[in-house]
Amino acid sequence: AQSVTQLDSQVPVFEEAPVELRCNYSSSVSVYLFWYVQYPNQGLQLLLKYLSGSTLVKGINGFEAEFNKSQTSFHLRKPSVHISDTAEYFCAVTSEGGAQKLVFGQGTRLTINP
Amino acid sequence: GAGVSQSPSNKVTEKGKDVELRCDPISGHTALYWYRQSLGQGLEFLIYFQGNSAPDKSGLPSDRFSAERTGGSVSTLTIQRTQQEDSAVYLCASSLVAFELYEQYFGPGTRLTVT
Repeated sequence: AQSVTQLDSQVPVFEEAPVELRCNYSSSVSVYLFWYVQYPNQGLQLLLKYLSGSTLVKGINGFEAEFNKSQTSFHLRKPSVHISDTAEYFCAVTSEGGAQKLVFGQGTRLTINP
Repeated sequence: GAGVSQSPSNKVTEKGKDVELRCDPISGHTALYWYRQSLGQGLEFLIYFQGNSAPDKSGLPSDRFSAERTGGSVSTLTIQRTQQEDSAVYLCASSLVAFELYEQYFGPGTRLTVT
């Protein structure tokens, strides 16, 4: 079975500061990893995904994530955040074959303070 | 083009009543997923449809939950004899080809409140 752990339930940062949201996963098979963002009262939007190839993945809105197989991590980073980045961020995993159903972490609420 | 749409956006129902939640996937998307987002459980997979194959119902929490997808497009999630623990946001997602793209597009959700 797969599982995802997001180590921080809430992360407050100041505007223009860098941020890292942590995600660790466990799986007995090869995985595909995703970060989704949920703005207040909206649905989930894909930020970025890792399927294969380069372990550094760049996504929308200036976010990037690095897949580290040895540490089973997929941390999300942004060098300089904006007020508009305030949202909940979900890390998710799925595997090849079958339903490709996403297994989500509990989410990290990112709050940007001016 | 149009994204995934869900209706109603909000539903308040009394305990014991049945409810139906609707999902219109993106046109041409063959895979459709239902997830539930609740305070205690986070985001959970419920059920998956892919083309004409039998659905994967492994995430349905009880036999009070069922779903169907008519004509390979619109899907309805039905909850019978609702309980207070069914209160959650129910999210629908669709994808073009489940295997190749791994990108699921989510609808805005239906917020269900059971009183």
